[in-house]
Amino acid sequence: EPEVTQTPSHQVTQMGQEVILRCVPISNHLYFYWYRQILGQKVEFLVSFYNNEISEKSEIFDDQFSVERPDGSNFTLKIRSTKLEDSAMYFCASRVDQSYGYTFGSGTRLTVV
Amino acid sequence: SQQGEEDPQALSIQEGENATMNCSYKTSINNLQWYRQNSGRGLVHLILIRSNEREKHSGRLRVTLDTSKKSSSLLITASRAADTASYFCATDASNDYKLSFGAGTTVTVRA
Repeated sequence: EPEVTQTPSHQVTQMGQEVILRCVPISNHLYFYWYRQILGQKVEFLVSFYNNEISEKSEIFDDQFSVERPDGSNFTLKIRSTKLEDSAMYFCASRVDQSYGYTFGSGTRLTVV
Repeated sequence: SQQGEEDPQALSIQEGENATMNCSYKTSINNLQWYRQNSGRGLVHLILIRSNEREKHSGRLRVTLDTSKKSSSLLITASRAADTASYFCATDASNDYKLSFGAGTTVTVRA
């Protein structure tokens, strides 16, 4: 069964450093998403991406965040200057269209120290 | 807020018993989805029920949707130890296309 692949599975970074989280969505999917889950809390929407542009973003997704689909297969989330409160599990998801369920990746656990 | 809210927060049952959890939400939806998350792991899509559907089955899972009450339930029949996980409902609202997750129900199945 097709999977959404996320790398790395775990990343530790110093506060203030830039991180790039990578995702390979399912090849025929058209809608891409990033969600995050702070330990013990709800899964929160960050951003949706369609047709090579952001279609919606949450209040969390401030100027420190950016997304890119650099080569037609990868979908990346960049955090420019990480803060302690960015520590969370980040999930990438994709779906073929808006009437279908999502396929989530297994997540990247980001720890900012 | 559109977010689904699950009830109960935690559930502990004996292997073989059924587990039922509920989800309530606030506004119109296109569909409602249930996900499972094992501790520290990714989200696994279990089942999607559309707003014009009332009940759906998938293996040992049964989901109901009552749009008049804005509520859904997930029933896991004949539970197994491997069903131990957190279960989340997520709503896909009519006026936008992102999922809003509830806080989840933590299910523990005792062997």
